Amino acid sequence: SQQGEEDPQALSIQEGENATMNCSYKTSINNLQWYRQNSGRGLVHLILIRSNEREKHSGRLRVTLDTSKKSSSLLITASRAADTASYFCATDERGAQKLVFGQGTRLTINP
Amino acid sequence: GAVVSQHPSWVICKSGTSVKIECRSLDFQATTMFWYRQFPKQSLMLMATSNEGSKATYEQGVEKDKFLINHASLTLSTLTVTSAHPEDSSFYICSATQTGRPNQPQHFGDGTRLSIL
Repeated sequence: SQQGEEDPQALSIQEGENATMNCSYKTSINNLQWYRQNSGRGLVHLILIRSNEREKHSGRLRVTLDTSKKSSSLLITASRAADTASYFCATDERGAQKLVFGQGTRLTINP
Repeated sequence: GAVVSQHPSWVICKSGTSVKIECRSLDFQATTMFWYRQFPKQSLMLMATSNEGSKATYEQGVEKDKFLINHASLTLSTLTVTSAHPEDSSFYICSATQTGRPNQPQHFGDGTRLSIL
């Protein structure tokens, strides 16, 4: 079942601005992952944050995790046109190997 | 590294045809692979978990006889959509996890767009 809720569903910003996407989930997790999907393609893994971590960085990406609120955020700084894609959070539930994906945020970067 | 190849990338066929989709891990062994379905502008819905050498585990609501999964080797899982109908048209994506590396990201194929006429 889909347990992740993402906010906003769609986001359109100007190139160079920062983009923030939020994700909420319902159950206890081992980790939370963020993926990017370009139109008509598979998913590309961006970053994984474990349940005992609160913040993680990778290049222009910053992910936070608040397990007390069961929420996470993905920040993309200094956005580029190539960042245009859909972004999904996915939770790796404790005791289950499978991922549960959020509904996704469609990000459009305008040049 | 950790490349997953999915084939074909798109297929168009007549109603009633059975279609086989292959998912291969090219440079790692994958005891477990996953099959997802995605409708336009929607998220991925897990259909089944494919385990090498054993029966697949299907999610609730997914017809086992409709979507046949075979995972005969550590690098190949196949999904066969049997007697496909227009409502089966969708984007099917597979992913794989590397054997012996739990709690690591899944590696995704590029998906197969299936159109049933």
